[in-house]
Amino acid sequence: EDQVTQSPEALRLQEGESSSLNCSYTVSGLRGLFWYRQDPGKGPEFLFTLYSAGEEKEKERLKATLTKKESFLHITAPKPEDSATYLCAVGDKIIFGKGTRLHILP
Amino acid sequence: DAGVIQSPRHEVTEMGQEVTLRCKPISGHNSLFWYRQTMMRGLELLIYFNNNVPIDDSGMPEDRFSAKMPNASFSTLKIQPSEPRDSAVYFCASSLQKNTGELFFGEGSRLTVL
Repeated sequence: EDQVTQSPEALRLQEGESSSLNCSYTVSGLRGLFWYRQDPGKGPEFLFTLYSAGEEKEKERLKATLTKKESFLHITAPKPEDSATYLCAVGDKIIFGKGTRLHILP
Repeated sequence: DAGVIQSPRHEVTEMGQEVTLRCKPISGHNSLFWYRQTMMRGLELLIYFNNNVPIDDSGMPEDRFSAKMPNASFSTLKIQPSEPRDSAVYFCASSLQKNTGELFFGEGSRLTVL
């Protein structure tokens, strides 16, 4: 059964303080690992798809990386508007982890 | 494009009542997903359709839940009878190419069962 575990559950950072979020997964045949952002009261919004170990994708202050067992979402010099819940998902059925709630303090 | 449209946005009902949630996917998208989100369990896949055909409904909690997609532009999720433990936010999402993982989510329907 496909499984996704995200850590930490919550993270508070000062504006400009870089950090990384973790997504560990077990899946029978990785067909892609997906990152989403969810703002309060909204549906998740797609960020990236990673297909193979070693692949990296970037968007503004976010960079996603992938290994055979886990993915990291690196946030460089975050701003308050980066505050959100970040979700990762895997598998043919697109199974989501519980997310990391990120709060950036001004 | 209007995006994925869900209705109602909020529903409060009493235990035992029938609840119907509606979804209009993005035009041209051929995959449609229903998810349920709670604090305890996160975002859970209930069912997904490809070209209007249900492909996997293993996430549907029990027989009280049913989903239909009569055509490419409309889907419903029905709960009958509803129970307090069904209280959650229900999301519909559609995708043009499911293998890219790029799902477009609606704003959700928040269900409260008293």
